[in-house]
Amino acid sequence: ETGVTQSPTHLIKTRGQQVTLRCSSQSGHNTVSWYQQALGQGPQFIFQYYREEENGRGNFPPRFSGLQFPNYSSELNVNALELDDSALYLCATEVTGARTGELFFGEGSRLTVL
Amino acid sequence: GESVGLHLPTLSVQEGDNSIINCAYSNSASDYFIWYKQESGKGPQFIIDIRSNMDKRQGQRVTVLLNKTVKHLSLQIAATQPGDSAVYFCAETGYSTLTFGKGTMLLVSP
Repeated sequence: ETGVTQSPTHLIKTRGQQVTLRCSSQSGHNTVSWYQQALGQGPQFIFQYYREEENGRGNFPPRFSGLQFPNYSSELNVNALELDDSALYLCATEVTGARTGELFFGEGSRLTVL
Repeated sequence: GESVGLHLPTLSVQEGDNSIINCAYSNSASDYFIWYKQESGKGPQFIIDIRSNMDKRQGQRVTVLLNKTVKHLSLQIAATQPGDSAVYFCAETGYSTLTFGKGTMLLVSP
């Protein structure tokens, strides 16, 4: 158990719709990152939040946005969904100040865009 | 651009054998190199990491080797068990964010 919970676990949307994915973590894990994992690929970094502010972003368009809340929860929002957005979306947290590669991942939200 | 990649997409071994999974990286500035295990339907799980100023680190049944001269990382699993069957990713990090390779699937036969 990593203490990271994601919801929903599965969802289906149609092209052009919007989706919100949620993540909750544990106390002391003030940094949260979101990754996109396409089928058969490694996770790709979307963005990171620290103390409720974006703290780094990967090569994803602005229609991917996020929020982090004071209660260690966060959201990933994707607008104007495209077919290629179909993937497993992973939330990952780390112990504040750890500065190593040990991230704690949730089990992901699998998004299918039709 | 910078990337982390793997040599072998699938590795099949017998239970009890030792497994070696290899990875090439290109970003010499990374601070840590990490191995993750991902079982079907689950998120990646941290196995072991190695700091860039080390060349070997051992854990429980696992050893990670780092060869900075040829930019090569390997994960050795001793006495491989059926529960080790999963996809293994190497990753590198400079500050919190991870760059993952494509993964190697390890299949362990009883």
